[in-house]
Amino acid sequence: QSALTQPASVSGSPGQSITISCTGSSSDIGSYNLVSWYQQHPGKAPKLIIYEVNKWPSGVSNRFSGSKSGNTASLTISGLQAEDEADYYCCSHGFSSTFVFGGGTKLTVL
Amino acid sequence: EVQLVESGGGWVQSGGSLRLSCAASGLSFSSYWMSWVRQVPGKGLEWVANINRDGSEKYYVDSVKGRFTMSRDNAKSSVWLQMNNLRAEDMAVYYCARVIQGGGGLDVWGQGTTVTVSS
Repeated sequence: QSALTQPASVSGSPGQSITISCTGSSSDIGSYNLVSWYQQHPGKAPKLIIYEVNKWPSGVSNRFSGSKSGNTASLTISGLQAEDEADYYCCSHGFSSTFVFGGGTKLTVL
Repeated sequence: EVQLVESGGGWVQSGGSLRLSCAASGLSFSSYWMSWVRQVPGKGLEWVANINRDGSEKYYVDSVKGRFTMSRDNAKSSVWLQMNNLRAEDMAVYYCARVIQGGGGLDVWGQGTTVTVSS
């Protein structure tokens, strides 16, 4: 049950695109197409923005997109906007009906 | 409107117990697995426990095994997290969340309830 690895911080200017990586292992990301991503603003509960690697929940902007290759998943945010500034967490289904989260990435919109 | 509301958080001494509750409304509660996730203030999210649709299967992060017990009552659309022998490292905001069918993510979250453990 080791945490997934994410960069601590990323930044970008409005209108640009950024990508956040999430590295796991063959026991989690590599074994399941069950990666999800969450956006969390300060003092708020997490919000699901991507599920099952690359699917959008209802109401989530398609500026958010997800992908996976091997043991690494990625979240791309295109057309950065000021309101995208938040913490982002990846999560994968793990061994025996468990979940494992990444350490989180702080996105700064310059 | 789909909603999860947690309660039961508070202050407890190290070694003590607390029981967190999560009440669901506006969703087909019995059709979904449920989870508890916690977050130390200023730190990341940590999955704590899962329970299947009828409560017959439960899974826990290693650090709480033997101390925490998750349960549910579908007639009451509620889940609980019984936390015993609490430690300083259990101090966090605890969220309950609904698991997407198939296990692909957590799509509905409560607002969280805060557990403070004093040593």
